[in-house]
Amino acid sequence: DQQVKQNSPSLSVQEGRISILNCDYTNSMFDYFLWYKKYPAEGPTFLISISSIKDKNEDGRFTVFLNKSAKHLSLHIVPSQPGDSAVYFCAASLSGTYKYIFGTGTRLKVLA
Amino acid sequence: DTGVSQNPRHKITKRGQNVTFRCDPISEHNRLYWYRQTLGQGPEFLTYFQNEAQLEKSRLLSDRFSAERPKGSFSTLEIQRTEQGDSAMYLCASRGWDTEAFFGQGTRLTVV
Repeated sequence: DQQVKQNSPSLSVQEGRISILNCDYTNSMFDYFLWYKKYPAEGPTFLISISSIKDKNEDGRFTVFLNKSAKHLSLHIVPSQPGDSAVYFCAASLSGTYKYIFGTGTRLKVLA
Repeated sequence: DTGVSQNPRHKITKRGQNVTFRCDPISEHNRLYWYRQTLGQGPEFLTYFQNEAQLEKSRLLSDRFSAERPKGSFSTLEIQRTEQGDSAMYLCASRGWDTEAFFGQGTRLTVV
């Protein structure tokens, strides 16, 4: 039972353009969401998060949007850079629990 | 702060052998997680420690798997009687009370 879904396994974007990575979840009780980035041969690194009381959180070039009614979140990267090429994982958690539930990831390739 | 350290980075073992992995978390982090990642999937939660107490175990963690965190510092994950299906990347993460989870580089296990 995949509670967090990333339906696009891969995405290619031209350098300087916007990258939009999508994530859907099924459990309406999730109240905290995160994005992690993973380069080959490295562990995932935290990128940005959002609480369910917000609908947007911004950090530099990265913005996460949350649509609770649609159980959907997205990560926008503007402008995209070749160094952003990595696998991006969406994750969700519930208050009172300790673990993150991860999606299957989207491989982003930013073309120079 | 040297980050989360995992050893070994790679392990090749014969089916039926026992293996043990070690994780050294960030020193001030009291929370420690083990995740497993297979090809094309996101990290899957295995177990969680708060200090030395193991507070949650996934049903993915069969009785061949055991994890410990003596004295609330480093942690070990042991797999007994390894099977080919155990081949995966084993990721450790640590977390403080007000931080996100920081992941190590992982231990890649190959069971032949």
